[in-house]
Amino acid sequence: KAGVTQTPRYLIKTRGQQVTLSCSPISGHRSVSWYQQTPGQGLQFLFEYFSETQRNKGNFPGRFSGRQFSNSRSEMNVSTLELGDSALYLCASSNNYGYTFGSGTRLTVV
Amino acid sequence: AQKVTQAQTEISVVEKEDVTLDCVYETRDTTYYLFWYKQPPSGELVFLIRRNSFDEQNEISGRYSWNFQKSTSSFNFTITASQVVDSAVYFCALSATLPGTPLVFGKGTRLSVIA
Repeated sequence: KAGVTQTPRYLIKTRGQQVTLSCSPISGHRSVSWYQQTPGQGLQFLFEYFSETQRNKGNFPGRFSGRQFSNSRSEMNVSTLELGDSALYLCASSNNYGYTFGSGTRLTVV
Repeated sequence: AQKVTQAQTEISVVEKEDVTLDCVYETRDTTYYLFWYKQPPSGELVFLIRRNSFDEQNEISGRYSWNFQKSTSSFNFTITASQVVDSAVYFCALSATLPGTPLVFGKGTRLSVIA
């Protein structure tokens, strides 16, 4: 079966712009989580959605937001981009057995 | 609060050597999950194992083995007869068992296997 699909794979944005990243989970998985990976901070949890509801949120500013649609696909949005938002953004879909990660979206803010 | 420590930042070994990656964790939960993931240069986190805290049996899968010791809060990962394809960053992670709780990752260990 298809894995977790994240689009786009690479993105270059300018400071102050906003960006939307997309994640399509494994069919049947209703939970989607987002993580930010940077060299300095490592892998940090952003938020998790289940059945279109945010169940958990990490310690990130309000510029980071997300949503989940009825088909379990999820998007995350970052507004007013800062240089420090440059990172690999990873999405994971999960069921009772564990988490499966996508290949990530590498965002570069210039 | 939960915390995962991978003290080894980088390890370099010659092909066919055995290598052990260390992982120490902290949690106040009585039940929890422990994970190991592999991250090749492509960026995707590849699932290797999930272990429930009440199952302290060691596990072997091919060249991979895991040693879980609750008494020392450690969950170490050994690769036997390493291969160049094992070169990657390896992450240990911890989560509560409640659905939706996040994974807490260690900083990762970069393993380089030299031919």
